[in-house]
Amino acid sequence: DAGITQSPRHKVTETGTPVTLRCHQTENHRYMYWYRQDPGHGLRLIHYSYGVKDTDKGEVSDGYSVSRSKTEDFLLTLESATSSQTSVYFCAISERGDQPQHFGDGTRLSIL
Amino acid sequence: QKEVEQNSGPLSVPEGAIASLNCTYSDRGSQSFFWYRQYSGKSPELIMFIYSNGDKEDGRFTAQLNKASQYVSLLIRDSQPSDSATYLCAVNNQAGTALIFGKGTTLSVSS
Repeated sequence: DAGITQSPRHKVTETGTPVTLRCHQTENHRYMYWYRQDPGHGLRLIHYSYGVKDTDKGEVSDGYSVSRSKTEDFLLTLESATSSQTSVYFCAISERGDQPQHFGDGTRLSIL
Repeated sequence: QKEVEQNSGPLSVPEGAIASLNCTYSDRGSQSFFWYRQYSGKSPELIMFIYSNGDKEDGRFTAQLNKASQYVSLLIRDSQPSDSATYLCAVNNQAGTALIFGKGTTLSVSS
């Protein structure tokens, strides 16, 4: 299995609080991605990174920010969580943008 | 917005039959195509990728690509109950920086 660790695995928090999810990889892959997965919507790309300090927006980036200060870590932050951000969040990595992505185990986030 | 379309299913097949999963994509510039399997409550798992027109076989799985028709399919031979899952089709975006996923097809294999 690709060395990808997401933390926390589960989190319950309240509307308006900040939340940070972490993705850590041991594969030294250049690309890292954050997705959310919701019933009826499939996997939707939030943000991705193509190198240290190099990030770009995905399809559903509003309300989310990311940072990548080291190759191995990609952080997703919800500055002020809303109930619409309740979802399962997956991190993925790949060597190149057009090559297979490998997924972490996911974080189940509930915002009350 | 470029799209990847899949029938949501459920696709139901008896054990031992061939399951055929289909996917169409809108971006003619796409060059890389992937199939993922996702069990309920789990993360997507890569099962096949294909870059050239034609067929690619790996065990019981065959991926088929037709770029002229913008169509990619996955065949599962000798389907087993353990194949019951949601299958996601993914295609690279035009910039080559990310993948676009379909919403998935749910497969149910009955014993």
